[in-house]
Parts: sequence; structure tokens; C-alpha cells
Amino acid sequence: EPEVTQTPSHQVTQMGQEVILRCVPISNHLYFYWYRQILGQKVEFLVSFYNNEISEKSEIFDDQFSVERPDGSNFTLKIRSTKLEDSAMYFCASSEIQGAGSPLHFGNGTRLTVT
Amino acid sequence: QKEVEQDPGPLSVPEGAIVSLNCTYSNSAFQYFMWYRQYSRKGPELLMYTYSSGNKEDGRFTAQVDKSSKYISLFIRDSQPSDSATYLCATTKAAGNKLTFGGGTRVLVKP
Repeated sequence: EPEVTQTPSHQVTQMGQEVILRCVPISNHLYFYWYRQILGQKVEFLVSFYNNEISEKSEIFDDQFSVERPDGSNFTLKIRSTKLEDSAMYFCASSEIQGAGSPLHFGNGTRLTVT
Repeated sequence: QKEVEQDPGPLSVPEGAIVSLNCTYSNSAFQYFMWYRQYSRKGPELLMYTYSSGNKEDGRFTAQVDKSSKYISLFIRDSQPSDSATYLCATTKAAGNKLTFGGGTRVLVKP
């Protein structure tokens, strides 16, 4: 069964550094998402992306964050200057369509640790 | 009031028992309802996806939606130790796929 893959599985970085988290969505999916889960807390929506632009973003997704689809297969999340509170699991997801509640398929996440 | 509420558990049951999980939500604009299973340090895995009020069955899993009460349930029949995981309910409005998750219920099925 096709799946969403994320790399790296664990990233450790120092506060203030830039990180890029990478995702390969399911190949025929058109909508891409980033969610995060701080340890012990809910999974939270960050951003959705379609047709090379952001379609929706949450209050969490401030100017420190950016997303990009640099080629036909990868989808990336960049955090420009990491803070301690950015430590979390970051999940990429994709869906085939939008608007009809097309279910999201999640990757296994990247654990980001900011020291 | 939280948008989606879920008892965190843990819920411990013996193997073979029925697991009963519930969520409540506050926003009547939510139209689509999902249950995800999440093993430790893994991503959420879609189990059930429903739209209308009523029951939907898939193997050992039954999802129930009661939009009038804003209440959703998941039942797992003949539970197995491999069902031990955290179960997340999630919902979204009709117009998009921004999911709002509950906090998850941790389930432990004891052999």
C-alpha cells in the first residue's frame, strides 16, 4: 500500500538554527499538510498546500515557518530559527482531493529536538 | 470549551473484550469524522471515516456518529493485544481538510 514517507526520523538542532523536514507524499495525491504533536499534547494542524501555494495555515504557522514543493515528489517544512518550543513530532500528510473530506494519510513523523 | 474532547484513559481491557471509545465535539459545522490509531512514536493511521449519522462497520471496527448529540464512538470487537495503542478521533468541516483532533485515548489490551 502506498505510504507517506518522512526524513529524517529524528533531528536534533540547536536553538536558532534552521531545519528542513522532508516528506514524500503518496504519488497521486494533490493536497499536502503538516501537523505537529508536542509530547503529551494533541495533534495540531499547521498548514495545507495545494497547487504550489498555501491554502490554509494556523496561528502556529508564523513567519518562522515555510513550506515548499521543490520538485514533483518532495514536500518540505522549513523552520528558519528554531526555538525550544518547536520541539515536537512533525507529521506530513497527503490526500487525494479536498472538499469532500478526503481522508488524510500520515507519515510516521520527524521527531525534532531543539536544544 | 474545547472543540473535540476525548477521555485520555488509559482504558485497560482483557483480550477478547469489546473496546468502547467516545468523543464529543462542540462545533456543528463539523461534518466528517475519523478515527485514527497511533502506535508509540508512529504517525496516525486511518481506521474509520464517516460522514453521516449512524453506524459504519469495517471488520472488527464499528464507528457511530450522532450529530444531534455531537457524539462519536468507536467500538472494537474481539480486541487483541495488537490493538493496544492510542486512538484519536478527528473531525473536519465540509469545505476543507484541516483536521481537529481529540487528545486521544490510550488503550491497553491485556492477553
